[in-house]
Amino acid sequence: NAGVTQTPKFQVLKTGQSMTLQCAQDMNHNSMYWYRQDPGMGLRLIYYSASEGTTDKGEVPNGYNVSRLNKREFSLRLESAAPSQTSVYFCASSERQGKSYNEQFFGPGTRLTVL
Amino acid sequence: GNSVTQMEGPVTLSEEAFLTINCTYTATGYPSLFWYVQYPGEGLQLLLKATKADDKGSNKGFEATYRKETTSFHLEKGSVQVSDSAVYFCALSGGRDDKIIFGKGTRLHILP
Repeated sequence: NAGVTQTPKFQVLKTGQSMTLQCAQDMNHNSMYWYRQDPGMGLRLIYYSASEGTTDKGEVPNGYNVSRLNKREFSLRLESAAPSQTSVYFCASSERQGKSYNEQFFGPGTRLTVL
Repeated sequence: GNSVTQMEGPVTLSEEAFLTINCTYTATGYPSLFWYVQYPGEGLQLLLKATKADDKGSNKGFEATYRKETTSFHLEKGSVQVSDSAVYFCALSGGRDDKIIFGKGTRLHILP
């Protein structure tokens, strides 16, 4: 199993450009997440999807859109990139078993720089 | 709402020293508690977890005990190695969804 995969690994954009970050998981998880990680800020949730066909805003959704294409794939789109969106982006997935809250599995991240 | 507070870093120790990274939480109900580790250039990976009060999670020589009376989940290791240098995140999960609340992370440097 590959776990959670993300593409691309690195990206440089100019202000105003758009791009889509791709994420896929092969663990048959229902829940998927997008985070951003900035120095001194820890991880902040951008959007999440509890199941195929549903998405919800997290802590910092402004400037982003998401698509849960199917159970495996969850993409993050920046319509008009801004320097404040320079960050490392992580995708994660998880599955709840009964009343137990299970761990999240993370991808390797995408390092995005907006000039 | 739910929250996690962990000690700020960086923490610098010599090899074979004893490690404690403090973590306290605020939550309603009975959350599950986690420690994640992030090695340089990588994503986060689960280090250990505990799902109910008095549970002890352990992995790779690290331990943490779920203390409901003090709302704490401190990470400990008896003898650290250079390879333990990483960023450590305390986290909790316990809401109606599967969201996890992360602390801000503690960077650990181990000197040979």
